[in-house]
Amino acid sequence: GAVVSQHPSRVICKSGTSVKIECRSLDFQATTMFWYRQFPKQSLMLMATSNEGSKATYEQGVEKDKFLINHASLTLSTLTVTSAHPEDSSFYICSAQPAGSTYGYTFGSGTRLTVV
Amino acid sequence: AQSVTQLGSHVSVSEGALVLLRCNYSSSVPPYLFWYVQYPNQGLQLLLKYTSAATLVKGINGFEAEFKKSETSFHLTKPSAHMSDAAEYFCAVGGEEGSQGNLIFGKGTKLSVKP
Repeated sequence: GAVVSQHPSRVICKSGTSVKIECRSLDFQATTMFWYRQFPKQSLMLMATSNEGSKATYEQGVEKDKFLINHASLTLSTLTVTSAHPEDSSFYICSAQPAGSTYGYTFGSGTRLTVV
Repeated sequence: AQSVTQLGSHVSVSEGALVLLRCNYSSSVPPYLFWYVQYPNQGLQLLLKYTSAATLVKGINGFEAEFKKSETSFHLTKPSAHMSDAAEYFCAVGGEEGSQGNLIFGKGTKLSVKP
């Protein structure tokens, strides 16, 4: 079945630094990937839709200059949290959508980001 | 616009008892509905999905859900709870034209299973 690998699973960084999170589709090509954010004991909130070869579409309220998304190939999307602050600490999860599929249904294992 | 409401943020059952997790949706178009399970510090695993075929959907780990249009519900059930079922469960809806396939999630229901 479709497998999505997300790396790293945990990262601790200092305030003001940048962190890159990778989302890879291992056995299929993903024309579209989704990035979600999950606060403790809360649901997943869509941050942005990443389309291969074009700019990401950000949800309202998500700062595109802070959360940089790059989808340079059909198997890799990256989310870079720039100038991280403690309030950016959260659980970030990606979802990849196989080419020809209507819904992104395969999720990565998530990345726990802690900014100190 | 679409939305999902999960009734009960926390459900506790005894091992072997019926599991019932409630989900109601709102959608102006025929919805696609999903149930996901999340274990601590992990991603989401698809349990089952409804995509306009049979209204009773069977998923993994013995779970099933029934789509009831008249009640705008998609409740998740399992006849007999197992300790390993303890996790967070999310109901999600998709299907709005132009949504590019992203899902709208409910707030989740934490399932506890007592021995």
